Amino acid sequence: GAVVSQHPSWVICKSGTSVKIECRSLDFQATTMFWYRQFPKQSLMLMATSNEGSKATYEQGVEKDKFLINHASLTLSTLTVTSAHPEDSSFYICSARAREATYNEQFFGPGTRLTVL
Amino acid sequence: AQKITQTQPGMFVQEKEAVTLDCTYDTSDQSYGLFWYKQPSSGEMIFLIYQGSYDEQNATEGRYSLNFQKARKSANLVISASQLGDSAMYFCAMREGSGGTSYGKLTFGQGTILTVHP
Repeated sequence: GAVVSQHPSWVICKSGTSVKIECRSLDFQATTMFWYRQFPKQSLMLMATSNEGSKATYEQGVEKDKFLINHASLTLSTLTVTSAHPEDSSFYICSARAREATYNEQFFGPGTRLTVL
Repeated sequence: AQKITQTQPGMFVQEKEAVTLDCTYDTSDQSYGLFWYKQPSSGEMIFLIYQGSYDEQNATEGRYSLNFQKARKSANLVISASQLGDSAMYFCAMREGSGGTSYGKLTFGQGTILTVHP
């Protein structure tokens, strides 16, 4: 099956610093990648959709200047949390949609747990 | 308004029994897809089952079946013969539409924590 990796799996950083999270599709080309955020015991909330070679589409209420998304290739998308604050602490999950997608269109990464001190 | 509603924050079931997790949805699209995912404590999202809006038969995947009632806009997950390893958070999700650059994005329900007792 299709594999999506995320790096790092967890990160602790100081308030005010920036953190970059990578999402890679390992064995397929992903035309579209999605970034979700999940607070403890809550649902996944879509933050943005990124298509290779174009600007990301952000969901309402998500600050595009704070959460920078880059989808530079068909196998890599990055999410950079700029000037992170404790309220940004969360579980960030990416998913990737293959170029030739069937009904099971998204393959999820294992997630990145961000803790901002 | 909530597009996906899971009204059961938590469910308990005895090992080897069957359990139904409820999910209702709201959409004006004719073409949509409904998914169920399992999220254990590790956080990974495990795909369980899919139902397309035009599928006439209820989807089944091993011990998982989806009770799709289109007129009632419900897509309940039935897990038969529960196992201890089934204890996890379960999410219902919907994909709307049939194209566009954001095609494929999912809207998730609130989730149901399932606990299987020995």
